[in-house]
Amino acid sequence: ILNVEQSPQSLHVQEGDSTNFTCSFPSSNFYALHWYRWETAKSPEALFVMTLNGDEKKKGRISATLNTKEGYSYLYIKGSQPEDSATYLCAFMDSSYKLIFGSGTRLLVRP
Amino acid sequence: GAVVSQHPSWVICKSGTSVKIECRSLDFQATTMFWYRQFPKQSLMLMATSNEGSKATYEQGVEKDKFLINHASLTLSTLTVTSAHPEDSSFYICSATGLSHYEQYFGPGTRLTVT
Repeated sequence: ILNVEQSPQSLHVQEGDSTNFTCSFPSSNFYALHWYRWETAKSPEALFVMTLNGDEKKKGRISATLNTKEGYSYLYIKGSQPEDSATYLCAFMDSSYKLIFGSGTRLLVRP
Repeated sequence: GAVVSQHPSWVICKSGTSVKIECRSLDFQATTMFWYRQFPKQSLMLMATSNEGSKATYEQGVEKDKFLINHASLTLSTLTVTSAHPEDSSFYICSATGLSHYEQYFGPGTRLTVT
């Protein structure tokens, strides 16, 4: 059974703090690693799709890195804002294009 | 672009009845649609994969006769929960891919409560 683990489960930070979360995944049969941002009552929003070992992607204040050999990815948020409050999901994609999700990291940014 | 809608957003039904949930890709043609379920404090779990015009492929442990999936067109897939039981109460969410299999676009989900 493939397992995708995310840590921490939840995180409370102050506005302006920088933060990061971890996603660990199987290192075999890797096809892609996805990060989603999910606000309550909305659709999960795709942040990044990462495919290559050593990949680093950036979108505004959010960036992510990927290590496929050791099976982990980090998501960083620089200068957190209250609107960054959401659940951040990572998902491992295998060669059949199926996504296996972690349980998510719930971020709350206090003003 | 790449918007997926789901209807209804929430539904309450009685035990023994059937409930249909619709998933639509609004601005692209979805070659493949996926259905997921999420129990409280757990991950999104893939239930089945459907391709337009063909039978859905169900994940291990998912009863195909209970969760009927129809992908009749390139923009619509439906999930029918038949003879619903309280243990079917869950959050159901769909996703769709277009030409690129890498990217999955999600609907907002449907909260099902069976009383």
